[in-house]
Amino acid sequence: DAGVIQSPRHEVTEMGQEVTLRCKPISGHDYLFWYRQTMMRGLELLIYFNNNVPIDDSGMPEDRFSAKMPNASFSTLKIQPSEPRDSAVYFCASSFLPNQPQHFGDGTRLSIL
Amino acid sequence: TQLLEQSPQFLSIQEGENLTVYCNSSSVFSSLQWYRQEPGEGPVLLVTVVTGGEVKKLKRLTFQFGDARKDSSLHITAAQPGDTGLYLCAGNGAGGTSYGKLTFGQGTILTVHP
Repeated sequence: DAGVIQSPRHEVTEMGQEVTLRCKPISGHDYLFWYRQTMMRGLELLIYFNNNVPIDDSGMPEDRFSAKMPNASFSTLKIQPSEPRDSAVYFCASSFLPNQPQHFGDGTRLSIL
Repeated sequence: TQLLEQSPQFLSIQEGENLTVYCNSSSVFSSLQWYRQEPGEGPVLLVTVVTGGEVKKLKRLTFQFGDARKDSSLHITAAQPGDTGLYLCAGNGAGGTSYGKLTFGQGTILTVHP
């Protein structure tokens, strides 16, 4: 079975540009999570969805970040405008139930110059 | 505010040695998970502990959940180079936060030398 699929794997762009990260969760998983990982702050939850509805977005850094889940098989995390401090690895994960294991994608390594 | 304190942050040992990684918090968790992450990949779940005092074994890895469900440990016996990686603990539902919301520790980078 396919796992969580993220694209792109790497993104390098200049400050001020819009960045869109994409995620396809495992089929049948009702929960989708977006994380950011940095050396300084570790792995932080940004937002999570249940049945395509955002449940908790308290981890979203600021208004420059937005996330959508238009259907059960697709989600996006958008940064506009991007800043160098947004450079990190962004992970998407999905799970069947909230207390079940989360399955992570391989991440998007984002570099903002 | 870091709810989960993981220690040590770095661990470099020789093959065959034993080691323990600790995960501590002042918050009570409904469950706690341990993940292992390799470079260029996402974290992969090793185990979930749910009951206070629970001990789970996975080959040479032993996981324990504290009686009060505030802390956990991971013990590796006779470490091997293949155990090298980043180990993360993650608590579920801390302090009345959204159930399903995982809080991760900072991680322990383990290097096992041949």
